[in-house]
Amino acid sequence: GQQLNQSPQSMFIQEGEDVSMNCTSSSIFNTWLWYKQEPGEGPVLLIALYKAGELTSNGRLTAQFGITRKDSFLNISASIPSDVGIYFCAGQVANTGKLIFGQGTTLQVKP
Amino acid sequence: GAGVSQSPRYKVTKRGQDVALRCDPISGHVSLYWYRQALGQGPEFLTYFNYEAQQDKSGLPNDRFSAERPEGSISTLTIQRTEQRDSAMYRCASSLGAAEGGNTIYFGEGSWLTVV
Repeated sequence: GQQLNQSPQSMFIQEGEDVSMNCTSSSIFNTWLWYKQEPGEGPVLLIALYKAGELTSNGRLTAQFGITRKDSFLNISASIPSDVGIYFCAGQVANTGKLIFGQGTTLQVKP
Repeated sequence: GAGVSQSPRYKVTKRGQDVALRCDPISGHVSLYWYRQALGQGPEFLTYFNYEAQQDKSGLPNDRFSAERPEGSISTLTIQRTEQRDSAMYRCASSLGAAEGGNTIYFGEGSWLTVV
């Protein structure tokens, strides 16, 4: 079946540092999504990407949809303690409502 | 309601019992999704509906799992003859527009199921 490989699995960084995480797939997706999940909550959408090559920003977050449509990355600049959480990438299967999620990247930020 | 509401939030059941998990989507949302999330993993797709029609149930693990949304609003995920491996967080989500249109989906807080 379709799988997404997300890396790194976890990161422990100092406040103020930039963070980068990425996601690769063996399959092509038409839409890539990045979610953040905090303890006890459901995933919350951060950024949605709809076109190959697209680069989209949301505040300190920037994400890109790879040209091959098989990968995406998320950057967080100048991290702050509230960035702590688990970040998931997800690809949407074409012409369906089905999302395939990566395994998540756990981010810890040291003040 | 304001968000996707799920009940019960926590359910402990004995192996072999049936369980029903309820999802109340955001009012007016067309599409409703069920995902399962194990500890330390990303959500895993189970099934989704547009209105009352079940569009894709390819993620349901086996025939002990079923879902319905008879009036296009509230949905129930039923697991028959539960097994320990069914223990997980079951998350419901909904979106305003049809699922295929790339509409933003909003997740609920989930129902924790523990089978003992």
